Amino acid sequence: KQEVTQIPAALSVPEGENLVLNCSFTDSAIYNLQWFRQDPGKGLTSLLLIQSSQREQTSGRLNASLDKSSGRSTLYIAASQPGDSATYLCAVGSNAGGTSYGKLTFGQGTILTVHP
Amino acid sequence: KAGVTQTPRYLIKTRGQQVTLSCSPISGHRSVSWYQQTPGQGLQFLFEYFSETQRNKGNFPGRFSGRQFSNSRSEMNVSTLELGDSALYLCASSFQGNYGYTFGSGTRLTVV
Repeated sequence: KQEVTQIPAALSVPEGENLVLNCSFTDSAIYNLQWFRQDPGKGLTSLLLIQSSQREQTSGRLNASLDKSSGRSTLYIAASQPGDSATYLCAVGSNAGGTSYGKLTFGQGTILTVHP
Repeated sequence: KAGVTQTPRYLIKTRGQQVTLSCSPISGHRSVSWYQQTPGQGLQFLFEYFSETQRNKGNFPGRFSGRQFSNSRSEMNVSTLELGDSALYLCASSFQGNYGYTFGSGTRLTVV
């Protein structure tokens, strides 16, 4: 059974700092890994999708890496801004056969607060 | 292009009632998944449909059911509502399962 853990659970930083969010998963038989952002009471916004054959993806100030063999992914946010404040969720899509279809396994999230 | 649309946005129901939630996926997306999000349990997978067939189901009681129509729109139904069913219900669509998912804004269900 796939389990996803995110560290830290919460993070508070001053504006302008570079920061790293961590995600680990127990089963390396993954299809892809997706990072999402969720604002309070809202749905999930996809930030980055990394296929299992890829090592990293970049979008603007965001960079996500994937190390399947060690079961880890990191989300790097450069020059953080107050508007980055949200919950960041890591989700793994597995390719373990029939029970994996359409199912993402989520971590509990990292609550990020960027203060001015 | 239009995103994933979930209706209604908010619902208040009484214990014992039933409820139907709707999800319209992105045009061309054939896979629709449903998730329940609560503060205590986080995001939990309910089920996934692809071309009108349920391919996968999470660990939820039979009171939770769903279906998908030929135009890929999906509905989920919860019967005999319990207080613990209060949650944010999220729908996600994908062109084909495991190609990355786009989520809707969710339906906030409150059971009183």
